[in-house]
Amino acid sequence: GQQVMQIPQYQHVQEGEDFTTYCNSSTTLSNIQWYKQRPGGHPVFLIQLVKSGEVKKQKRLTFQFGEAKKNSSLHITATQTTDVGTYFCAGPYSESNSGYALNFGKGTSLLVTP
Amino acid sequence: DGGITQSPKYLFRKEGQNVTLSCEQNLNHDAMYWYRQDPGQGLRLIYYSQIVNDFQKGDIAEGYSVSREKKESFPLTVTSAQKNPTAFYLCASSAVAGFGNQPQHFGDGTRLSIL
Repeated sequence: GQQVMQIPQYQHVQEGEDFTTYCNSSTTLSNIQWYKQRPGGHPVFLIQLVKSGEVKKQKRLTFQFGEAKKNSSLHITATQTTDVGTYFCAGPYSESNSGYALNFGKGTSLLVTP
Repeated sequence: DGGITQSPKYLFRKEGQNVTLSCEQNLNHDAMYWYRQDPGQGLRLIYYSQIVNDFQKGDIAEGYSVSREKKESFPLTVTSAQKNPTAFYLCASSAVAGFGNQPQHFGDGTRLSIL
């Protein structure tokens, strides 16, 4: 499948600090999705970005899709302990057909200390 | 409630043994997926199916097999050929709507360990 690289692998912040994770692809992506997995849990869908340069907000979370549709970011403003977990980006497994599988990045694990 | 049910939650395999992980969904989704998760490795695609009686290999299909005889069910068999099966296995499903990816819904996973 197409590779999506995600950085950083880990991030440890104090509660109230901001957090950003980045996702990069060597090829153009038709769309990108973001998921959150709490410790001991399963991934939960957060959002999908489709348009070049798209920016979407969910409360303190801001998602961006790059102009070239090769990169994306998730920014959390003023982190809270409830933000703890691993955040994954995922692009299409294949752009060559109408497949629906995803290729996940390795994730960024966020730890927030009070 | 609609959702995806994986069973068992924990599973132990003996050397040379095949084991089957169950995945059932009542979301009326056409597509289903199996992922393997290892620490620091993210989710790696094992197999996926977009329609009954059809499935495709993902990146790490060796040592695994699947079937899709019913829309609701997509069991995964970890065969004795899979030499390092200890991992967290996640099943997911999604709708199929035109062209392009749809949000995936995940089960709670099965943790497989070697005895």
